[in-house]
Amino acid sequence: QQQVKQSPQSLIVQKGGISIINCAYENTAFDYFPWYQQFPGKGPALLIAIRPDVSEKKEGRFTISFNKSAKQFSLHIMDSQPGDSATYFCAASGATGGFKTIFGAGTRLFVKA
Amino acid sequence: DVKVTQSSRYLVKRTGEKVFLECVQDMDHENMFWYRQDPGLGLRLIYFSYDVKMKEKGDIPEGYSVSREKKERFSLILESASTNQTSMYLCASSRQGYTGELFFGEGSRLTVL
Repeated sequence: QQQVKQSPQSLIVQKGGISIINCAYENTAFDYFPWYQQFPGKGPALLIAIRPDVSEKKEGRFTISFNKSAKQFSLHIMDSQPGDSATYFCAASGATGGFKTIFGAGTRLFVKA
Repeated sequence: DVKVTQSSRYLVKRTGEKVFLECVQDMDHENMFWYRQDPGLGLRLIYFSYDVKMKEKGDIPEGYSVSREKKERFSLILESASTNQTSMYLCASSRQGYTGELFFGEGSRLTVL
């Protein structure tokens, strides 16, 4: 199976709070799990990514947590800011998928000032 | 600044018209992709190319074709546009071997009447 399931569909967080977006995958051959951020009127941009040999990766206020046994990964945005308001997509790619990157359905995040 | 440029940001076409969407990248990337973005469905892969004159079907190729005559240019063609092809179309590129690290253009919003 090639699906990547993402939740929630939308999320409202207070400024300074933690935003958490979850994803689950089925194909164990995936070996690269990126997150993309998309602002209105723009194309998605790579935000942060992780490989399954580590359980966590942190870049500034953004952290990916990865649970290989559960086939789940999540994005945590610490100290969420109004400028973080965007749509976030999780994705998965790997050798089995050939050149494909499979995307989740997206989460619209709104951070209230 | 690296760039993926999509020639048309907004298009309005009539049912049955032939539509060309052009994409150019200046990063010397081997791989290029066309995705379609619809609310609640995320990004779905239409076609991709890993070399000049090479093309592979993605998950939803029906009703579309592509052309890659030069490394930097990847075109999406709708031979006979239909209303269910109204969507946002995103072009992306990536380096060989880094298929999960996608660089996207800003998108072409197509409306078919």
